Amino acid sequence: AQSVAQPEDQVNVAEGNPLTVKCTYSVSGNPYLFWYVQYPNRGLQFLLKYITGDNLVKGSYGFEAEFNKSQTSFHLKKPSALVSDSALYFCAVTPNRDDKIIFGKGTRLHILP
Amino acid sequence: GAGVSQSPRYKVAKRGQDVALRCDPISGHVSLFWYQQALGQGPEFLTYFQNEAQLDKSGLPSDRFFAERPEGSVSTLKIQRTQQEDSAVYLCASSLGGPHGAYEQYFGPGTRLTVT
Repeated sequence: AQSVAQPEDQVNVAEGNPLTVKCTYSVSGNPYLFWYVQYPNRGLQFLLKYITGDNLVKGSYGFEAEFNKSQTSFHLKKPSALVSDSALYFCAVTPNRDDKIIFGKGTRLHILP
Repeated sequence: GAGVSQSPRYKVAKRGQDVALRCDPISGHVSLFWYQQALGQGPEFLTYFQNEAQLDKSGLPSDRFFAERPEGSVSTLKIQRTQQEDSAVYLCASSLGGPHGAYEQYFGPGTRLTVT
């Protein structure tokens, strides 16, 4: 079975500092991993994905994620946080192309001015 | 182009009423998914269509939940005899689908259902 875990309910970071939102995964085959962001009263927005290839994946709004097979992790990172990055972030996995996505419980990111 | 749209955005139903939630996917997207997001939780899969065919309905919580996509475009999620535990945000997502389609899905804004 596929699952993801986000160990932190909330992460607080000062504006301008680097940020990391943690995610670990458990899959029975190849991991196809995502990060989505959710702003208040809005749907989920796709940030980035890892399918295969380079372990460092770059996405929207300056975010990137590092795939680490040995640690089964897919942490989301950004070198310099903005107040506008404050939102709810979901790590997710899918078993196949064109299949349901399994989401973590989410991590609320607060960027402090 | 236009993204995924959903209507209504908010719905209040009295317990026992039937409701219908609509999803209009991105034009040309073959695959359509419904998810349920309870307060403070991540979205959970309900059902999946490829064109008009419902290929997976394993996530529907009871036989009160029914989804259709008769012409392979717009989809409707119907909940009969609503219960308080049905209160949630219902998200629709679409993707290109097929053997060469992308893995990611694109989500609508959701319908917030409150059952009183």
